[in-house]
Amino acid sequence: AAGVIQSPRHLIKEKRETATLKCYPIPRHDTVYWYQQGPGQDPQFLISFYEKMQSDKGSIPDRFSAQQFSDYHSELNMSSLELGDSALYFCASSLLGSQHNEQFFGPGTRLTVL
Amino acid sequence: AQSVTQLGSHVSVSEGALVLLRCNYSSSVPPYLFWYVQYPNQGLQLLLKYTTGATLVKGINGFEAEFKKSETSFHLTKPSAHMSDAAEYFCAVSVTTSGSRLTFGEGTQLTVNP
Repeated sequence: AAGVIQSPRHLIKEKRETATLKCYPIPRHDTVYWYQQGPGQDPQFLISFYEKMQSDKGSIPDRFSAQQFSDYHSELNMSSLELGDSALYFCASSLLGSQHNEQFFGPGTRLTVL
Repeated sequence: AQSVTQLGSHVSVSEGALVLLRCNYSSSVPPYLFWYVQYPNQGLQLLLKYTTGATLVKGINGFEAEFKKSETSFHLTKPSAHMSDAAEYFCAVSVTTSGSRLTFGEGTQLTVNP
Protein backbone atom coordinates (compact mmCIF):
# COMPACT_ATOMS: atom_id res chain seq x y z
CA ALA A 1 0.00 0.00 0.00
CA ALA A 2 1.15 3.51 -0.77
CA GLY A 3 2.47 5.49 2.17
CA VAL A 4 3.24 9.10 2.94
CA ILE A 5 6.36 10.25 1.14
CA GLN A 6 8.65 12.94 2.50
CA SER A 7 11.61 14.51 0.83
CA PRO A 8 14.38 14.98 1.42
CA ARG A 9 15.00 12.42 4.14
CA HIS A 10 18.00 14.29 5.44
CA LEU A 11 18.91 17.94 5.14
CA ILE A 12 21.86 19.90 6.46
CA LYS A 13 21.74 23.68 6.51
CA GLU A 14 23.69 26.56 7.98
CA LYS A 15 22.22 29.11 10.36
CA ARG A 16 20.15 31.80 8.67
CA GLU A 17 19.62 29.67 5.56
CA THR A 18 16.25 28.52 4.24
CA ALA A 19 14.87 25.02 3.82
CA THR A 20 11.90 23.48 2.05
CA LEU A 21 10.45 20.17 3.12
CA LYS A 22 8.00 18.30 0.93
CA CYS A 23 5.23 15.88 1.77
CA TYR A 24 3.20 13.69 -0.57
CA PRO A 25 0.14 12.25 1.17
CA ILE A 26 -1.41 8.87 0.63
CA PRO A 27 -3.50 8.93 -2.58
CA ARG A 28 -7.05 10.22 -1.94
CA HIS A 29 -6.09 11.68 1.43
CA ASP A 30 -7.10 15.32 1.60
CA THR A 31 -5.66 16.45 4.93
CA VAL A 32 -2.01 16.96 5.71
CA TYR A 33 -0.41 17.61 9.10
CA TRP A 34 3.11 18.72 10.03
CA TYR A 35 4.80 17.79 13.30
CA GLN A 36 8.21 18.67 14.73
CA GLN A 37 10.09 16.25 16.97
CA GLY A 38 13.13 17.64 18.73
CA PRO A 39 15.87 15.33 20.05
CA GLY A 40 14.46 13.13 22.79
CA GLN A 41 11.09 14.87 22.66
CA ASP A 42 7.55 14.04 21.62
CA PRO A 43 6.18 15.25 18.29
CA GLN A 44 4.65 18.72 18.44
CA PHE A 45 1.90 19.76 16.06
CA LEU A 46 2.82 22.63 13.73
CA ILE A 47 0.07 23.10 11.18
CA SER A 48 -2.49 21.27 9.07
CA PHE A 49 -4.27 21.75 5.76
CA TYR A 50 -7.52 20.51 4.31
CA GLU A 51 -8.35 21.02 0.66
CA LYS A 52 -5.51 23.52 0.31
CA MET A 53 -6.77 25.66 3.18
CA GLN A 54 -5.10 25.93 6.57
CA SER A 55 -7.31 24.01 8.97
CA ASP A 56 -5.41 24.26 12.25
CA LYS A 57 -2.29 25.98 13.55
CA GLY A 58 -0.10 24.95 16.43
CA SER A 59 3.26 26.08 17.70
CA ILE A 60 4.70 27.02 14.34
CA PRO A 61 7.26 29.86 14.36
CA ASP A 62 6.55 32.91 12.25
CA ARG A 63 9.71 32.08 10.28
CA PHE A 64 7.95 28.97 8.98
CA SER A 65 5.20 28.86 6.39
CA ALA A 66 3.42 26.03 4.69
CA GLN A 67 0.90 25.37 1.99
CA GLN A 68 -0.97 22.58 0.32
CA PHE A 69 -1.12 22.41 -3.44
CA SER A 70 -3.83 21.33 -5.87
CA ASP A 71 -2.38 17.80 -6.04
CA TYR A 72 -2.60 17.71 -2.20
CA HIS A 73 1.12 17.63 -1.61
CA SER A 74 2.38 20.06 0.98
CA GLU A 75 5.54 22.05 1.52
CA LEU A 76 6.96 23.44 4.74
CA ASN A 77 9.16 26.46 4.15
CA MET A 78 11.60 27.43 6.87
CA SER A 79 13.58 30.66 6.80
CA SER A 80 16.31 32.22 8.96
CA LEU A 81 17.11 28.80 10.33
CA GLU A 82 18.29 28.56 13.92
CA LEU A 83 20.21 25.83 15.71
CA GLY A 84 17.05 24.99 17.63
CA ASP A 85 15.24 24.11 14.42
CA SER A 86 17.30 20.92 14.20
CA ALA A 87 14.69 18.20 14.52
CA LEU A 88 12.80 15.44 12.81
CA TYR A 89 9.88 16.83 10.83
CA PHE A 90 6.99 14.49 10.22
CA CYS A 91 4.20 14.81 7.78
CA ALA A 92 0.99 12.84 8.26
CA SER A 93 -2.09 12.50 6.12
CA SER A 94 -5.67 11.47 6.66
CA LEU A 95 -8.99 11.44 4.89
CA LEU A 96 -11.35 14.01 6.34
CA GLY A 97 -14.61 12.41 7.19
CA SER A 98 -12.96 9.09 7.86
CA GLN A 99 -14.42 7.49 10.88
CA HIS A 100 -11.56 7.61 13.30
CA ASN A 101 -9.23 10.46 12.37
CA GLU A 102 -6.42 8.02 11.79
CA GLN A 103 -3.29 9.81 10.70
CA PHE A 104 -0.63 8.01 8.72
CA PHE A 105 2.89 9.25 9.22
CA GLY A 106 5.73 9.57 6.78
CA PRO A 107 9.30 8.55 7.62
CA GLY A 108 10.25 12.12 8.46
CA THR A 109 12.86 14.60 7.31
CA ARG A 110 15.82 15.01 9.63
CA LEU A 111 16.95 18.64 9.53
CA THR A 112 20.31 19.53 10.97
CA VAL A 113 21.21 23.20 11.33
CA LEU A 114 24.90 23.93 11.81
CA ALA B 1 -7.65 21.36 25.20
CA GLN B 2 -6.18 17.90 25.50
CA SER B 3 -3.07 16.56 27.15
CA VAL B 4 -1.38 13.23 27.71
CA THR B 5 0.87 12.07 30.51
CA GLN B 6 2.98 8.96 30.16
CA LEU B 7 4.24 7.65 33.48
CA GLY B 8 7.81 6.47 33.19
CA SER B 9 10.10 7.73 30.49
CA HIS B 10 12.00 4.44 30.57
CA VAL B 11 10.63 0.95 31.17
CA SER B 12 12.79 -2.15 31.21
CA VAL B 13 11.45 -5.71 31.09
CA SER B 14 12.86 -9.15 30.53
CA GLU B 15 12.05 -11.06 27.37
CA GLY B 16 8.83 -12.98 27.95
CA ALA B 17 7.65 -10.70 30.75
CA LEU B 18 4.54 -8.55 30.80
CA VAL B 19 4.80 -5.13 29.21
CA LEU B 20 2.80 -2.31 30.82
CA LEU B 21 3.14 1.26 29.55
CA ARG B 22 1.01 3.83 31.32
CA CYS B 23 -0.93 6.68 29.74
CA ASN B 24 -3.34 9.12 31.31
CA TYR B 25 -5.17 11.74 29.33
CA SER B 26 -7.07 14.94 29.88
CA SER B 27 -9.76 16.06 27.49
CA SER B 28 -12.76 18.35 27.74
CA VAL B 29 -14.59 16.31 25.12
CA PRO B 30 -14.76 12.58 24.42
CA PRO B 31 -11.31 11.64 23.20
CA TYR B 32 -9.88 9.51 20.49
CA LEU B 33 -6.81 7.74 21.90
CA PHE B 34 -3.87 6.24 20.06
CA TRP B 35 -0.64 4.39 20.74
CA TYR B 36 2.21 4.82 18.27
CA VAL B 37 5.57 3.05 18.19
CA GLN B 38 8.78 4.61 16.88
CA TYR B 39 11.86 2.57 16.09
CA PRO B 40 15.22 4.36 15.92
CA ASN B 41 15.45 6.78 13.01
CA GLN B 42 12.04 5.80 11.74
CA GLY B 43 8.58 7.29 11.55
CA LEU B 44 5.58 6.70 13.77
CA GLN B 45 3.60 3.50 13.32
CA LEU B 46 0.09 3.14 14.69
CA LEU B 47 -0.22 0.26 17.16
CA LEU B 48 -3.86 0.66 18.09
CA LYS B 49 -6.63 3.18 18.63
CA TYR B 50 -9.73 3.75 20.72
CA THR B 51 -12.59 5.71 19.25
CA THR B 52 -15.94 4.45 20.51
CA GLY B 53 -17.43 1.12 21.45
CA ALA B 54 -15.41 -1.65 23.01
CA THR B 55 -13.08 -0.32 25.65
CA LEU B 56 -10.52 -3.09 25.20
CA VAL B 57 -8.80 -2.63 21.88
CA LYS B 58 -6.34 -4.96 20.23
CA GLY B 59 -3.57 -3.81 17.99
CA ILE B 60 -0.68 -5.12 16.01
CA ASN B 61 2.18 -7.22 17.36
CA GLY B 62 0.12 -8.59 20.25
CA PHE B 63 -0.45 -5.25 21.98
CA GLU B 64 -3.72 -4.19 23.52
CA ALA B 65 -5.00 -1.26 25.55
CA GLU B 66 -8.02 -0.61 27.71
CA PHE B 67 -9.86 2.70 27.82
CA LYS B 68 -10.98 3.50 31.36
CA LYS B 69 -13.00 6.67 31.43
CA SER B 70 -13.30 6.76 35.22
CA GLU B 71 -9.51 6.66 35.53
CA THR B 72 -8.84 8.73 32.37
CA SER B 73 -6.35 6.06 31.41
CA PHE B 74 -5.36 4.16 28.30
CA HIS B 75 -2.55 1.84 29.36
CA LEU B 76 -0.77 -0.33 26.80
CA THR B 77 -0.03 -3.98 27.58
CA LYS B 78 1.50 -7.05 25.99
CA PRO B 79 1.54 -10.39 27.80
CA SER B 80 5.01 -11.46 26.68
CA ALA B 81 7.75 -9.08 25.59
CA HIS B 82 9.90 -9.82 22.59
CA MET B 83 13.29 -8.36 21.83
CA SER B 84 11.82 -6.70 18.74
CA ASP B 85 9.45 -4.68 20.96
CA ALA B 86 12.31 -2.45 22.08
CA ALA B 87 11.36 1.02 20.84
CA GLU B 88 9.86 4.37 21.86
CA TYR B 89 6.12 4.33 22.50
CA PHE B 90 3.91 7.41 22.32
CA CYS B 91 0.37 7.78 23.58
CA ALA B 92 -1.66 10.42 21.76
CA VAL B 93 -5.08 12.02 22.01
CA SER B 94 -7.29 13.92 19.61
CA VAL B 95 -10.79 15.26 19.85
CA THR B 96 -13.60 13.39 18.17
CA THR B 97 -13.47 15.50 15.08
CA SER B 98 -11.99 14.22 11.88
CA GLY B 99 -9.00 16.27 10.90
CA SER B 100 -7.99 17.36 14.36
CA ARG B 101 -4.40 17.44 15.59
CA LEU B 102 -2.76 14.74 17.67
CA THR B 103 -1.36 15.70 21.06
CA PHE B 104 1.39 13.33 22.15
CA GLY B 105 2.73 12.28 25.49
CA GLU B 106 6.44 12.53 26.16
CA GLY B 107 7.06 8.94 25.21
CA THR B 108 8.26 5.82 26.98
CA GLN B 109 11.45 4.07 25.93
CA LEU B 110 10.97 0.33 26.27
CA THR B 111 14.05 -1.84 26.76
CA VAL B 112 13.76 -5.61 26.54
CA ASN B 113 16.51 -7.59 28.25
CA PRO B 114 17.42 -11.12 27.14
